[in-house]
Amino acid sequence: AQTVTQSQPEMSVQEAETVTLSCTYDTSESDYYLFWYKQPPSRQMILVIRQEAYKQQNATENRFSVNFQKAAKSFSLKISDSQLGDAAMYFCAYRSPALSGGGADGLTFGKGTHLIIQP
Amino acid sequence: NAGVTQNPKFQVLKTGQSMTLQCAQDMNHNSMYWYRQDPGMGLRLIYYSASEGTTDKGEVPNGYNVSRLNKREFSLRLESAAPSQTSVYFCASRRLRQGASPEQYFGPGTRLTVT
Repeated sequence: AQTVTQSQPEMSVQEAETVTLSCTYDTSESDYYLFWYKQPPSRQMILVIRQEAYKQQNATENRFSVNFQKAAKSFSLKISDSQLGDAAMYFCAYRSPALSGGGADGLTFGKGTHLIIQP
Repeated sequence: NAGVTQNPKFQVLKTGQSMTLQCAQDMNHNSMYWYRQDPGMGLRLIYYSASEGTTDKGEVPNGYNVSRLNKREFSLRLESAAPSQTSVYFCASRRLRQGASPEQYFGPGTRLTVT
């Protein structure tokens, strides 16, 4: 079974600064998907960014980018120019590549990192 | 499009009571999922449905049953609620098609308290 570890329960960053959230995972599969989800106080799970394991290029979405190190099984999220609206819980998640659906298709989540933005 | 909707948003039950959490999606997705989120934890998969007419257990299925009523709707039932089932419940869906986006889309969650 896959496991996802987020070693930072809480991180704090000054507004406009850059912060990096860590995520490591364990899997024996060679192809898979990785995601970062944001959960603000509203509870809504919001997709921030995704990475396909077969792609060597790191994904970017505006101020959000990842550092995907497949050999090290590491998937960190960098937030540049932090804004007050970035304050939330951030979850790293893993998904197997199964197209047919089923349990292999469910997401495995880390325990999350609480990101605090200092004004 | 409303996306994924869940009802109710909040519920308080007494131990032993039963209830059904409703989930519907209007994105024509094939797969649907139920997760629970406990304090200090990420989401954990309870049950999933790969397609209409099929359901299967996830990581934490004990104490729950599900029904895939049609392609749009996937309900989660607690037959005899226990305090250990106090949690926030999320429904999610995903399109199963070659080339489709791999991410799941989540509903707003249901906060359930069992006293």
